[in-house]
Amino acid sequence: EVQLLESGGKLVQRGGSLRLSCVASGFTFNTYAMTWVRQAPGKGLEWVATIIDSGGTTGNTFYADSLRGRFTISRDNSKNTLYLQMNSLRAEDTAVYYCASPGRQYDFLTGFDYWGRGTLVTVSS
Amino acid sequence: QSALTQPASVSGSPGQSITISCTGTTSDVAVYKYVSWYQQHPGKAPKLMIYDDNKRPSGVSERFSGSKSGSTASLTISGLQAEDEADYYCKSYTSTDTLVVFGGGTKLTVL
Repeated sequence: EVQLLESGGKLVQRGGSLRLSCVASGFTFNTYAMTWVRQAPGKGLEWVATIIDSGGTTGNTFYADSLRGRFTISRDNSKNTLYLQMNSLRAEDTAVYYCASPGRQYDFLTGFDYWGRGTLVTVSS
Repeated sequence: QSALTQPASVSGSPGQSITISCTGTTSDVAVYKYVSWYQQHPGKAPKLMIYDDNKRPSGVSERFSGSKSGSTASLTISGLQAEDEADYYCKSYTSTDTLVVFGGGTKLTVL
């Protein structure tokens, strides 16, 4: 059974930093693209970033235009773990952050079959 | 402003069919077969209902179907049931600098 478990969300002050983690199990982690999606309270889904493994921890990475430069996505395939480093946090970054993966190997364009339960990040002003 | 445009709300009675539209551009929906649809109940994670425009994941009811015409993708739910009441989001690959775009979401009310 595929499982994605996020952690690391908490209350943080504006301008602070936070690293989120997502531990994956039940599939061959290093052959799947991984993605972060967030959802602000009462709002819709917003794509944050995607990492495509290319054999290393960094891989090929893609970011939402508004977040590029502040957020960094990475992965540790030896630990089956996805990360999101968030810097210079703003009130508008307050959201539930989900990690998600497709159901097909090596496919980063298709739908997200699997989602974690999410972790809440609250940025106080 | 979301990159993909969805109606804010739709409604239907049990047993009826409804369609939710998702309008994009020639950088995404119109040219790539990578539209997917997600159902989200309050307080829950999204659930994939349709991928690659019109494919249904294992375990998703046949009452859910996807289609596309030009720059507009559609999700149709037939035989509406009370448990279908939820928010629905479309998503597409885009050839712009951004890899992925979501629609703003549609709230489905089953009357």
